Amino acid sequence: GENVEQHPSTLSVQEGDSAVIKCTYSDSASNYFPWYKQELGKGPQLIIDIRSNVGEKKDQRIAVTLNKTAKHFSLHITETQPEDSAVYFCAAIEGGSQGNLIFGKGTKLSVKP
Amino acid sequence: SAVISQKPSRDICQRGTSLTIQCQVDSQVTMMFWYRQQPGQSLTLIATANQGSEATYESGFVIDKFPISRPNLTFSTLTVSNMSPEDSSIYLCSVVVIRGKETQYFGPGTRLLVL
Repeated sequence: GENVEQHPSTLSVQEGDSAVIKCTYSDSASNYFPWYKQELGKGPQLIIDIRSNVGEKKDQRIAVTLNKTAKHFSLHITETQPEDSAVYFCAAIEGGSQGNLIFGKGTKLSVKP
Repeated sequence: SAVISQKPSRDICQRGTSLTIQCQVDSQVTMMFWYRQQPGQSLTLIATANQGSEATYESGFVIDKFPISRPNLTFSTLTVSNMSPEDSSIYLCSVVVIRGKETQYFGPGTRLLVL
């Protein structure tokens, strides 16, 4: 089945710097790769997603890139702000089955003012 | 997107008891799921809540322990039965919304502590 690896597990940056989180996956049939932000005491919030027919997607300060050949995808946050501090999870669909998201272990991002 | 609410938001329960968690969505959705997030961990799919039929459970999860109901396209319940401290987790309802493309959203979660 699908296996998703996420790195780093913790990331600390200064406000205004960029942050990059990387994930790899194993199932070549996966075609949907969402990223979620989870703040303390809250449920995961979808922040951006990418599908296998595109290589990059951007939404303001957030961008995601996908390399299907290498089976990896990355989240890029530019001009980080303290409110970006949270745990970020990447995920991939197992075998193309909607709902069965396989999650990475998460990255705790700390943005220092 | 979809607005998902869960009740209760948190609870503290005694071992051996059961707790039913409710999930309500503001629009009809075909696909509804229940996930578990153990303390400090990632999310794991428990089951797919099927409307009008029995839920589909993932490996390691069984109906006797986690019975699920899905009476309509906007509501589902998950029961955590005969609880033990190992069941202390966040339980999350999730839906897939199809508006051209399929996108998956999560509820706020129910934080369960079993003593």
